[in-house]
Amino acid sequence: EPEVTQTPSHQVTQMGQEVILRCVPISNHLYFYWYRQILGQKVEFLVSFYNNEISEKSEIFDDQFSVERPDGSNFTLKIRSTKLEDSAMYFCASGGGAGTDTQYFGPGTRLTVL
Amino acid sequence: ELKVEQNPLFLSMQEGKNYTIYCNYSTTSDRLYWYRQDPGKSLESLFVLLSNGAVKQEGRLMASLDTKARLSTLHITAAVHDLSATYFCAGANYGGSQGNLIFGKGTKLSVKP
Repeated sequence: EPEVTQTPSHQVTQMGQEVILRCVPISNHLYFYWYRQILGQKVEFLVSFYNNEISEKSEIFDDQFSVERPDGSNFTLKIRSTKLEDSAMYFCASGGGAGTDTQYFGPGTRLTVL
Repeated sequence: ELKVEQNPLFLSMQEGKNYTIYCNYSTTSDRLYWYRQDPGKSLESLFVLLSNGAVKQEGRLMASLDTKARLSTLHITAAVHDLSATYFCAGANYGGSQGNLIFGKGTKLSVKP
């Protein structure tokens, strides 16, 4: 069964450093998303991406964040200058394929900012 | 702006008992989702409810949607330990088949022998 994959599974970085989180959505899906979950809290929407552009973003997704689909298969989230409060689990999701009404989540990348 | 409230946030059940998790949402949502999350894991899609009166069942879990009351329920029948997890409901923030999801805080379910 097709699934969303994410790399790395865990990323440790120093405050102020740039990180890139990578995702490979399910191949026939059209919509891509990033969500985050701070430990023990609810899942929060960051950004959605459709037709090679951002379709919606939350107030969390400020100028430090960017997304890209560089090659038709990967979907990346970049944080330019990480802050301590960026420490969270970041989930990629995809949806909008034929015959599906749901969003499928990847396994997540745990980002730790020191 | 869509807001989603779940209750209870914590639920400790004995095996074999029944219980219901409630999910209220503040504005019109085209669809309502239920996900399960095991500790340290990702979110597993359980149900997507697309219309008023929709009812879906999978094993010991049954979800329903009342769009007029802006309420969805997840009913657990004869709970077993394997159902221990956190359950999230989510609404779609705007119309269309793939709106971004707004999640409730989750209900942490613990099923004890």
